[in-house]
Amino acid sequence: LAKTTQPISMDSYEGQEVNITCSHNNIATNDYITWYQQFPSQGPRFIIQGYKTKVTNEVASLFIPADRKSSTLSLPRVSLSDTAVYYCLVGDLRAAGNKLTFGGGTRVLVKP
Amino acid sequence: EAQVTQNPRYLITVTGKKLTVTCSQNMNHEYMSWYRQDPGLGLRQIYYSMNVEVTDKGDVPEGYKVSRKEKRNFPLILESPSPNQTSLYFCASSFRTAVPGELFFGEGSRLTVL
Repeated sequence: LAKTTQPISMDSYEGQEVNITCSHNNIATNDYITWYQQFPSQGPRFIIQGYKTKVTNEVASLFIPADRKSSTLSLPRVSLSDTAVYYCLVGDLRAAGNKLTFGGGTRVLVKP
Repeated sequence: EAQVTQNPRYLITVTGKKLTVTCSQNMNHEYMSWYRQDPGLGLRQIYYSMNVEVTDKGDVPEGYKVSRKEKRNFPLILESPSPNQTSLYFCASSFRTAVPGELFFGEGSRLTVL
């Protein structure tokens, strides 16, 4: 079971790029890395997922080095509405008996 | 609209009074799970179900029960609630064979046990 470690919090300013790194030293071969965003009083929402190298979508990029022991979520040009908690999740739902364990989350505060 | 629906959204109860938090999804997902969220502890998995009649313990199952008699429903049962079960609970679901790890979450149920 891959345990994940993330920074507890980070501050940024509008228009800057925010990079959040998640450590997952014992990631399994079949595990994927998924990031979620959570606003207060709401359930987490899927942002991006990857297996290796780089993945980009309309809201974020995910960088995964060759050894896959860490990953970095990159939020380009953040706005105030990006203030939220971001969770890294490592696992593979397709595997029977696979628990999905979230990290502690990183609280991102975007300042004007 | 595709969604995961939890009820109740808010509940205050007393120690020992059995309660059930319902979770229903309309996306035909095989996988469903329950999480609790406490300040400073992130999301911890309570139970999960890979399909109908298949359930298994997560990281913090003590004091909880679940059942999966139908694909769309996955109720969380607190037989004898205690104050340490005061928490924010989330239900989530997903396709097992699709994007691995893409969970769809409900809006949460805030439970207070006095």
